Amino acid sequence: DTAVSQTPKYLVTQMGNDKSIKCEQNLGHDTMYWYKQDSKKFLKIMFSYNNKELIINETVPNRFSPKSPDKAHLNLHINSLELGDSAVYFCASSRVMRTATTDTQYFGPGTRLTVL
Amino acid sequence: GENVEQHPSTLSVQEGDSAVIKCTYSDSASNYFPWYKQELGKGPQLIIDIRSNVGEKKDQRIAVTLNKTAKHFSLHITETQPEDSAVYFCAASMGDYKLSFGAGTTVTVRA
Repeated sequence: DTAVSQTPKYLVTQMGNDKSIKCEQNLGHDTMYWYKQDSKKFLKIMFSYNNKELIINETVPNRFSPKSPDKAHLNLHINSLELGDSAVYFCASSRVMRTATTDTQYFGPGTRLTVL
Repeated sequence: GENVEQHPSTLSVQEGDSAVIKCTYSDSASNYFPWYKQELGKGPQLIIDIRSNVGEKKDQRIAVTLNKTAKHFSLHITETQPEDSAVYFCAASMGDYKLSFGAGTTVTVRA
């Protein structure tokens, strides 16, 4: 059973298009994340949701909009795609954050987005 | 915010030898330090983690050490095998949900 799953695995699209990436976790976790991995493999957090509430919103263009319909799902919608959006996007999840500590984050397999 | 530096960026070792990757962090408030392994085409997978109240942790061939005073932590892999070849990431967190990652180390184990 896949713990954190993402669809699609590959996404190739033209500049200016709007696209979505879906993420689901079956671990019963309350917190979910989106990370971006650039061409140099650097991983950077974009968003985090705890129980459907946005708790982290890093300096990400507002063309990126996360949506959490329930605590098991966190989707990422990207408007007006640009060449620089090409990257691998990873979803992750963890249990509820305990005070002053961080629980283990489990990553999905990634979605490779290519903007032409 | 937290800044994590990771060295070396690439590491080639002979099968059976040990591999060591070192990371430093900037914020003394960081209290959680995981290590992830990423194989080609896959997502990062947690291999070991350590919290600030512990100086060392071991799991079979993998160990992590933490020096809070110097603000650095290291991953040690002993008796390396070809399947250890991957990109390894260190990370640090202050308990605020955010993981700040190092730039990664590409480890190649030569048979």
